[in-house]
Amino acid sequence: DAKTTQPPSMDCAEGRAANLPCNHSTISGNEYVYWYRQIHSQGPQYIIHGLKNNETNEMASLIITEDRKSSTLILPHATLRDTAVYYCIVIYNTDKLIFGTGTRLQVFP
Amino acid sequence: GAVVSQHPSRVICKSGTSVKIECRSLDFQATTMFWYRQFPKQSLMLMATSNEGSKATYEQGVEKDKFLINHASLTLSTLTVTSAHPEDSSFYICSARGEHGYTFGSGTRLTVV
Repeated sequence: DAKTTQPPSMDCAEGRAANLPCNHSTISGNEYVYWYRQIHSQGPQYIIHGLKNNETNEMASLIITEDRKSSTLILPHATLRDTAVYYCIVIYNTDKLIFGTGTRLQVFP
Repeated sequence: GAVVSQHPSRVICKSGTSVKIECRSLDFQATTMFWYRQFPKQSLMLMATSNEGSKATYEQGVEKDKFLINHASLTLSTLTVTSAHPEDSSFYICSARGEHGYTFGSGTRLTVV
């Protein structure tokens, strides 16, 4: 599986958009980009995933660059409950999920 | 949506005893389940992949005789920590793979005293 690189921490003001970047420069053509988040002492929660096209759901938007070497998760209106560790994972089909170090997002009032 | 139930959420046991953790997929069938452990302020580390009806596949460095995994049905996998020691104290999390992707349990906080 391709390795991902994420900033260790980010801050965001409540109500503003949180943009979380992820680099995956060695991604191959059939590997998906998945995003999960983990709120303290809970199991990871699925957010969104994509292959080539940008994706949007009720939680977030996923923007994947045309060369697929990086992506950005966008939380359009961050709330205090979005404070969590966000993991970007690149995976082929039904392989196992391998977690990196993630980005600790702190949303402040 | 897909739901995975993990029990117990917290357990304290004496050193030398064994502890069993259950992971159930409530509304879908999971031919494959995964077990992770997580130490404080660290990321999730995959321990093993469990396939229904067959032996689990362990990641490098994980002792298969210490962490017994059973996946006897399409909705249940169990992890037994045998002869637990204080260094086994950790947060254990299961995940089940279904047609909608990967769903995680809420985790089990194991404390060995």
